[in-house]
Amino acid sequence: DGGITQSPKYLFRKEGQNVTLSCEQNLNHDAMYWYRQDPGQGLRLIYYSQIVNDFQKGDIAEGYSVSREKKESFPLTVTSAQKNPTAFYLCASSYRGNTEAFFGQGTRLTVV
Amino acid sequence: EDQVTQSPEALRLQEGESSSLNCSYTVSGLRGLFWYRQDPGKGPEFLFTLYSAGEEKEKERLKATLTKKESFLHITAPKPEDSATYLCAVQAGGSQGNLIFGKGTKLSVKP
Repeated sequence: DGGITQSPKYLFRKEGQNVTLSCEQNLNHDAMYWYRQDPGQGLRLIYYSQIVNDFQKGDIAEGYSVSREKKESFPLTVTSAQKNPTAFYLCASSYRGNTEAFFGQGTRLTVV
Repeated sequence: EDQVTQSPEALRLQEGESSSLNCSYTVSGLRGLFWYRQDPGKGPEFLFTLYSAGEEKEKERLKATLTKKESFLHITAPKPEDSATYLCAVQAGGSQGNLIFGKGTKLSVKP
């Protein structure tokens, strides 16, 4: 089955640690995105990538980093510089930048 | 500033009681408006894309419509399994595919 796989489903981070969230898609989509979802707020864009080896900052990129070495993969690193990382993180992909995006099942990150 | 506002924040319906969810938007050059359904703890599930005023899309008990300022998601004779949060998002002209989301409407359908 084609789709977007995020792992892990749950992740716990200690203060000062960097953690990496995985996102893999087998839909042959060019564009990939990372969003953050907090209770009572809409999804907010962290980073996006239209092609391999290229990515752009979204509205809330501070404290996050990404890479796009393969078309299928778009991992997100939450660095220690992100002061409030507890949230639900969603990865999405689309065939082109102007078509509908499909989402993974999310990773819930909690700081302990 | 591009913006999406959804109303109401929450809606409780009895099974079979039809209603509508609203999505108002201000955007510089609409490229597309998207509706998603999200169940608790899950990623959003794509429902519809609308591109121009007057366009309508239907899927089972759901029908989405679009005007120049807002979109409606009409739910006809809802069932308890329609309970979820419904998200509206827009894509602005000049964007590279990223979506601007509203905060969603949480729908509860009681049997």
